[in-house]
Amino acid sequence: RKEVEQDPGPFNVPEGATVAFNCTYSNSASQSFFWYRQDCRKEPKLLMSVYSSGNEDGRFTAQLNRASQYISLLIRDSKLSDSATYLCVVNSYTGNQFYFGTGTSLTVIP
Amino acid sequence: ETGVTQSPTHLIKTRGQQVTLRCSSQSGHNTVSWYQQALGQGPQFIFQYYREEENGRGNFPPRFSGLQFPNYSSELNVNALELDDSALYLCASSLAPQGAGTEAFFGQGTRLTVV
Repeated sequence: RKEVEQDPGPFNVPEGATVAFNCTYSNSASQSFFWYRQDCRKEPKLLMSVYSSGNEDGRFTAQLNRASQYISLLIRDSKLSDSATYLCVVNSYTGNQFYFGTGTSLTVIP
Repeated sequence: ETGVTQSPTHLIKTRGQQVTLRCSSQSGHNTVSWYQQALGQGPQFIFQYYREEENGRGNFPPRFSGLQFPNYSSELNVNALELDDSALYLCASSLAPQGAGTEAFFGQGTRLTVV
């Protein structure tokens, strides 16, 4: 079983739409959670950390459900510039590495 | 930008050759991790270096090796290249080993093609 699983999509949504991505992780000892954004043929860049209480950054909201071991990312009022691959990232306190999902592809259509 | 730089940006090698990839970490960061990202996949952890010592390794064969220098820059060496080694190789630097929950900052990557 993979450490982190994501629906690869693709998600094609019109501008202004709300879109949600989910991700599940297998190791209950995982301590830190992130969403990274990766543009085509570029490096991943941190979008936001995910906290147990949930957190919001402008149009982006991240949630963590430890009991069900899933993480979500909600994007409101989608912009063309949101088109990218969104990577769910988890690490374990007992490990020294990040586990990445395969990424979810989002295309925002005019 | 992240302040993490990798060189070269692109590289073409022949099967069986050896390659060295380089990474300069962000100022003040003592931890460097290397990842391999195949097309359409998420990055896969190769290994991490913390204060010049290997501090964790993923499921990669011994022909993948690395070094970290006193200035915390790092090298990834791959011997006996195989076609499946073709991928984007990413270096990530952080203030502490990623097991401590710190975020990582990635360089732009080296795209390696093995023919």
